[in-house]
Amino acid sequence: EAQVTQNPRYLITVTGKKLTVTCSQNMNHEYMSWYRQDPGLGLRQIYYSMNVEVTDKGDVPEGYKVSRKEKRNFPLILESPSPNQTSLYFCASSWGAGEKLFFGSGTQLSVL
Amino acid sequence: AQSVTQPDIHITVSEGASLELRCNYSYGATPYLFWYVQSPGQGLQLLLKYFSGDTLVQGIKGFEAEFKRSQSSFNLRKPSVHWSDAAEYFCAVGVPRAGGGADGLTFGKGTHLIIQP
Repeated sequence: EAQVTQNPRYLITVTGKKLTVTCSQNMNHEYMSWYRQDPGLGLRQIYYSMNVEVTDKGDVPEGYKVSRKEKRNFPLILESPSPNQTSLYFCASSWGAGEKLFFGSGTQLSVL
Repeated sequence: AQSVTQPDIHITVSEGASLELRCNYSYGATPYLFWYVQSPGQGLQLLLKYFSGDTLVQGIKGFEAEFKRSQSSFNLRKPSVHWSDAAEYFCAVGVPRAGGGADGLTFGKGTHLIIQP
């Protein structure tokens, strides 16, 4: 089954404790992206990747890192999480930028 | 840079009534346009998209949208809503690139659709 898998679904952590949210897709998509969703603000793009070893900043990249060492994986790294990064995060992939996006089920992150 | 506006934060519609959700975009040329739906606790699912050609596009679940260049709009419509249509709806715009495809999507803030029995 074609899918985008994010882990974990829920995560509670404390300020400053490094964390990684994993994202994996099994559709051989070239394009992958991370979004955060906050009430009243919709989805905002954090980082995206056009292909392996090619990543670029989205609209709200501060405080986040990503890597794309393999085509299927696109982890989101928070080196020193802060409470303002409490949000619902979505990973998405597609055959190319601007094409239909396939979304993961989301990761609800709370930073205390 | 492109932008998307969804003027209605909430819309309430009676079951069986028609629906129109508004979306306006800002971009100098014709962008790629999308409507996504998000059910509670779920990720987003593509309803329909417009790249070029016929300005009235049909999507899944009985939805359609019409691209109007003169109004910079891409409104989503459904002739008769069902209770299962209650969800959050997002309009999105992508900027076409010279080599094909488009830059990453910019999403509107969403419209929350409530269905009354």
